[in-house]
Amino acid sequence: ELKVEQNPLFLSMQEGKNYTIYCNYSTTSDRLYWYRQDPGKSLESLFVLLSNGAVKQEGRLMASLDTKARLSTLHITAAVHDLSATYFCAVDNSNYQLIWGAGTKLIIKP
Amino acid sequence: NAGVTQTPKFQVLKTGQSMTLQCAQDMNHNSMYWYRQDPGMGLRLIYYSASEGTTDKGEVPDGYNVSRLKKQNFLLGLESAAPSQTSVYFCASTQWTSGINTGELFFGEGSRLTVL
Repeated sequence: ELKVEQNPLFLSMQEGKNYTIYCNYSTTSDRLYWYRQDPGKSLESLFVLLSNGAVKQEGRLMASLDTKARLSTLHITAAVHDLSATYFCAVDNSNYQLIWGAGTKLIIKP
Repeated sequence: NAGVTQTPKFQVLKTGQSMTLQCAQDMNHNSMYWYRQDPGMGLRLIYYSASEGTTDKGEVPDGYNVSRLKKQNFLLGLESAAPSQTSVYFCASTQWTSGINTGELFFGEGSRLTVL
């Protein structure tokens, strides 16, 4: 059974700092997704990682996928307050479903 | 661009009442999903439909039923609402090809349900 673990689950950081959110999963998969959710809002797709070694960047966020290690990272560079949100990773279980991590609540203080 | 549209956005029910949450997508996606999200928690899959006319149980199907009679619509029913079903419900859709997801899930805005 595929399980997905994110850590940390909660992160409070200062603006301007760098940090990384980790997403580990338990069985083989080549497809991993990162989403953002603002309070009271729906989920917005950030990155789709479809192969080993995939790296995608958008502004201050960069996501990567290592399928051999079953690990994806979401790196935040020089954080700004607008990046405060909850970030979820999800992994394709090859059965028409995504298995979701519990989410990382990120608070960025000015 | 409408994308995924959920109705209603808010609903208050009394215990034992029934209701249907509606989801419509205009992206011609073959797969649709219903999730629930409880405060401070992640998503839990209730039911999904890999293609028109098919449905399958997810992680938490008890107390719910679904219908996918048309490709663009996925309905979630609560036959006898319970306070434990108070939650935010999200519908999502995607396009699968030969069992492989070719893209990300697209979500509706959510339906906030309170059962008293």
